[in-house]
Amino acid sequence: DAGVTQSPTHLIKTRGQQVTLRCSPKSGHDTVSWYQQALGQGPQFIFQYYEEEERQRGNFPDRFSGHQFPNYSSELNVNALLLGDSALYLCASSSQGGAFFGQGTRLTVV
Amino acid sequence: KQEVTQIPAALSVPEGENLVLNCSFTDSAIYNLQWFRQDPGKGLTSLLLIQSSQREQTSGRLNASLDKSSGRSTLYIAASQPGDSATYLCAATTDSWGKLQFGAGTQVVVTP
Repeated sequence: DAGVTQSPTHLIKTRGQQVTLRCSPKSGHDTVSWYQQALGQGPQFIFQYYEEEERQRGNFPDRFSGHQFPNYSSELNVNALLLGDSALYLCASSSQGGAFFGQGTRLTVV
Repeated sequence: KQEVTQIPAALSVPEGENLVLNCSFTDSAIYNLQWFRQDPGKGLTSLLLIQSSQREQTSGRLNASLDKSSGRSTLYIAASQPGDSATYLCAATTDSWGKLQFGAGTQVVVTP
Protein backbone atom coordinates (compact mmCIF):
# COMPACT_ATOMS: atom_id res chain seq x y z
CA ASP A 1 0.00 0.00 0.00
CA ALA A 2 1.60 3.24 -1.21
CA GLY A 3 -0.29 5.41 1.24
CA VAL A 4 -1.17 8.99 0.32
CA THR A 5 1.05 10.38 -2.43
CA GLN A 6 1.39 14.02 -3.47
CA SER A 7 3.11 15.70 -6.39
CA PRO A 8 5.18 17.70 -6.89
CA THR A 9 7.20 17.82 -3.66
CA HIS A 10 8.46 21.35 -4.23
CA LEU A 11 7.28 24.18 -6.45
CA ILE A 12 8.33 27.79 -7.03
CA LYS A 13 5.86 30.17 -8.67
CA THR A 14 5.66 33.89 -9.36
CA ARG A 15 2.94 36.16 -7.95
CA GLY A 16 -0.15 36.15 -10.14
CA GLN A 17 0.50 32.70 -11.59
CA GLN A 18 -1.69 29.65 -11.17
CA VAL A 19 -0.67 26.31 -9.65
CA THR A 20 -2.08 22.76 -9.55
CA LEU A 21 -1.19 20.26 -6.87
CA ARG A 22 -2.07 16.57 -7.05
CA CYS A 23 -2.96 13.89 -4.54
CA SER A 24 -3.64 10.15 -4.70
CA PRO A 25 -5.43 8.82 -1.61
CA LYS A 26 -4.65 5.71 0.39
CA SER A 27 -6.13 2.59 -1.14
CA GLY A 28 -9.76 2.16 -0.14
CA HIS A 29 -10.26 5.80 0.90
CA ASP A 30 -12.86 7.82 -0.97
CA THR A 31 -12.60 11.12 0.93
CA VAL A 32 -9.81 13.61 0.29
CA SER A 33 -9.14 16.78 2.28
CA TRP A 34 -6.63 19.55 1.65
CA TYR A 35 -4.84 21.59 4.31
CA GLN A 36 -2.50 24.58 4.23
CA GLN A 37 0.29 24.75 6.79
CA ALA A 38 2.22 28.00 7.24
CA LEU A 39 5.60 27.85 8.94
CA GLY A 40 5.31 27.26 12.68
CA GLN A 41 1.54 26.77 12.60
CA GLY A 42 -0.87 23.85 12.56
CA PRO A 43 -2.53 22.87 9.28
CA GLN A 44 -5.66 24.81 8.29
CA PHE A 45 -8.56 23.06 6.53
CA ILE A 46 -9.10 24.23 2.93
CA PHE A 47 -11.81 21.86 1.63
CA GLN A 48 -12.90 18.26 1.39
CA TYR A 49 -14.00 16.16 -1.58
CA TYR A 50 -16.26 13.13 -1.58
CA GLU A 51 -17.89 11.45 -4.57
CA GLU A 52 -16.34 14.07 -6.88
CA GLU A 53 -18.10 16.92 -5.07
CA GLU A 54 -16.81 19.57 -2.67
CA ARG A 55 -18.50 18.51 0.56
CA GLN A 56 -17.28 21.23 2.90
CA ARG A 57 -14.98 24.20 2.79
CA GLY A 58 -12.85 26.15 5.23
CA ASN A 59 -12.27 29.89 5.35
CA PHE A 60 -10.33 30.21 2.09
CA PRO A 61 -11.09 32.50 -0.87
CA ASP A 62 -12.49 31.31 -4.17
CA ARG A 63 -8.97 31.46 -5.65
CA PHE A 64 -8.62 28.03 -4.07
CA SER A 65 -10.53 25.38 -5.99
CA GLY A 66 -10.35 21.66 -6.40
CA HIS A 67 -11.45 18.58 -8.18
CA GLN A 68 -11.86 14.91 -7.44
CA PHE A 69 -11.68 12.26 -10.14
CA PRO A 70 -13.58 8.95 -10.37
CA ASN A 71 -10.52 7.09 -9.04
CA TYR A 72 -10.71 9.36 -5.92
CA SER A 73 -7.50 11.24 -6.72
CA SER A 74 -7.73 14.98 -6.29
CA GLU A 75 -6.27 18.29 -7.44
CA LEU A 76 -5.92 21.60 -5.64
CA ASN A 77 -5.79 24.68 -7.85
CA VAL A 78 -4.77 28.12 -6.68
CA ASN A 79 -5.22 31.12 -9.00
CA ALA A 80 -3.66 34.58 -8.84
CA LEU A 81 -0.98 33.49 -6.40
CA LEU A 82 -0.03 35.82 -3.55
CA LEU A 83 3.16 35.83 -1.50
CA GLY A 84 1.03 34.73 1.47
CA ASP A 85 0.11 31.51 -0.34
CA SER A 86 3.63 30.23 0.32
CA ALA A 87 3.13 27.20 2.57
CA LEU A 88 3.20 23.44 2.85
CA TYR A 89 0.06 21.99 1.26
CA LEU A 90 -1.05 18.70 2.73
CA CYS A 91 -3.48 16.19 1.35
CA ALA A 92 -5.25 13.73 3.65
CA SER A 93 -7.44 10.76 2.90
CA SER A 94 -9.71 9.44 5.59
CA SER A 95 -11.78 6.52 6.75
CA GLN A 96 -13.24 5.38 10.06
CA GLY A 97 -9.65 4.68 11.08
CA GLY A 98 -8.70 8.34 10.98
CA ALA A 99 -6.85 10.59 8.57
CA PHE A 100 -3.66 9.74 6.73
CA PHE A 101 -1.47 12.43 5.23
CA GLY A 102 0.88 12.65 2.30
CA GLN A 103 4.36 14.19 2.44
CA GLY A 104 3.06 17.53 1.25
CA THR A 105 3.94 20.00 -1.48
CA ARG A 106 6.10 22.94 -0.51
CA LEU A 107 4.90 25.95 -2.52
CA THR A 108 7.04 29.07 -2.62
CA VAL A 109 5.63 32.20 -4.25
CA VAL A 110 8.19 34.83 -5.25
CA LYS B 1 -16.08 27.08 16.83
CA GLN B 2 -13.65 24.42 17.98
CA GLU B 3 -10.25 25.70 19.11
CA VAL B 4 -7.33 23.42 19.89
CA THR B 5 -4.37 24.53 21.99
CA GLN B 6 -1.06 22.83 22.67
CA ILE B 7 1.16 23.94 25.53
CA PRO B 8 4.12 24.20 25.69
CA ALA B 9 5.11 25.24 22.18
CA ALA B 10 8.56 23.71 22.68
CA LEU B 11 10.10 21.17 25.01
CA SER B 12 13.63 19.84 25.51
CA VAL B 13 14.37 16.72 27.57
CA PRO B 14 17.37 14.43 28.11
CA GLU B 15 17.28 10.97 26.59
CA GLY B 16 15.46 8.43 28.73
CA GLU B 17 13.07 10.88 30.33
CA ASN B 18 9.32 10.43 29.84
CA LEU B 19 7.55 13.00 27.66
CA VAL B 20 4.15 14.48 28.49
CA LEU B 21 2.47 16.52 25.77
CA ASN B 22 -0.78 18.37 26.39
CA CYS B 23 -3.68 19.21 24.10
CA SER B 24 -6.85 21.10 25.03
CA PHE B 25 -10.01 21.71 23.03
CA THR B 26 -12.94 24.03 23.64
CA ASP B 27 -15.88 21.96 22.36
CA SER B 28 -16.32 18.54 23.96
CA ALA B 29 -18.55 17.38 21.09
CA ILE B 30 -15.71 15.80 19.16
CA TYR B 31 -15.88 12.61 17.07
CA ASN B 32 -12.33 11.59 17.80
CA LEU B 33 -8.89 12.98 18.57
CA GLN B 34 -5.75 12.12 16.66
CA TRP B 35 -2.09 12.65 17.46
CA PHE B 36 0.45 13.17 14.68
CA ARG B 37 4.18 13.48 14.37
CA GLN B 38 5.80 15.87 11.90
CA ASP B 39 9.48 15.94 10.99
CA PRO B 40 10.87 19.22 9.60
CA GLY B 41 9.44 20.01 6.17
CA LYS B 42 7.63 16.69 5.98
CA GLY B 43 4.04 15.48 6.09
CA LEU B 44 2.16 14.19 9.11
CA THR B 45 2.49 10.66 10.46
CA SER B 46 -0.49 9.38 12.42
CA LEU B 47 0.49 8.09 15.86
CA LEU B 48 -2.74 7.37 17.73
CA LEU B 49 -6.46 7.80 17.16
CA ILE B 50 -8.82 7.94 20.14
CA GLN B 51 -12.51 7.56 19.40
CA SER B 52 -14.86 9.78 21.41
CA SER B 53 -16.14 6.74 23.35
CA GLN B 54 -12.62 5.71 24.41
CA ARG B 55 -10.50 6.97 27.30
CA GLU B 56 -7.07 5.99 25.98
CA GLN B 57 -5.06 4.28 23.27
CA THR B 58 -1.62 2.68 23.43
CA SER B 59 0.98 1.80 20.83
CA GLY B 60 4.40 0.67 22.00
CA ARG B 61 5.99 3.46 24.03
CA LEU B 62 3.10 5.82 23.22
CA ASN B 63 -0.05 6.26 25.27
CA ALA B 64 -2.73 8.87 24.68
CA SER B 65 -5.61 9.71 26.98
CA LEU B 66 -8.82 11.58 26.29
CA ASP B 67 -11.03 13.41 28.79
CA LYS B 68 -13.90 14.99 26.89
CA SER B 69 -15.48 16.52 29.98
CA SER B 70 -12.42 18.62 30.69
CA GLY B 71 -11.52 19.12 27.02
CA ARG B 72 -8.07 17.55 27.34
CA SER B 73 -5.89 14.92 25.75
CA THR B 74 -2.40 13.93 26.82
CA LEU B 75 0.25 12.07 24.85
CA TYR B 76 2.81 10.17 26.92
CA ILE B 77 6.04 8.93 25.36
CA ALA B 78 7.98 6.61 27.61
CA ALA B 79 11.79 6.48 27.77
CA SER B 80 12.37 9.15 25.13
CA GLN B 81 15.04 8.69 22.45
CA PRO B 82 16.80 11.22 20.18
CA GLY B 83 14.74 9.80 17.30
CA ASP B 84 11.60 11.09 19.05
CA SER B 85 12.69 14.65 18.26
CA ALA B 86 9.94 16.15 16.09
CA THR B 87 6.86 18.33 16.27
CA TYR B 88 3.80 16.65 17.73
CA LEU B 89 0.35 17.85 16.67
CA CYS B 90 -3.05 16.97 18.04
CA ALA B 91 -6.22 17.36 16.02
CA ALA B 92 -9.88 17.08 16.96
CA THR B 93 -12.35 15.73 14.43
CA THR B 94 -15.22 18.15 14.53
CA ASP B 95 -17.81 16.40 12.37
CA SER B 96 -18.76 12.98 11.00
CA TRP B 97 -17.01 13.78 7.74
CA GLY B 98 -13.59 13.91 9.36
CA LYS B 99 -12.68 17.60 9.22
CA LEU B 100 -9.68 18.15 11.50
CA GLN B 101 -9.02 21.16 13.74
CA PHE B 102 -5.33 21.26 14.64
CA GLY B 103 -3.32 22.74 17.44
CA ALA B 104 -0.09 24.59 16.58
CA GLY B 105 2.03 21.70 17.83
CA THR B 106 4.72 21.07 20.44
CA GLN B 107 8.29 20.95 19.15
CA VAL B 108 10.23 18.29 21.06
CA VAL B 109 14.01 17.94 21.27
CA VAL B 110 15.48 14.88 22.99
CA THR B 111 19.15 15.38 23.77
CA PRO B 112 21.56 12.40 23.93
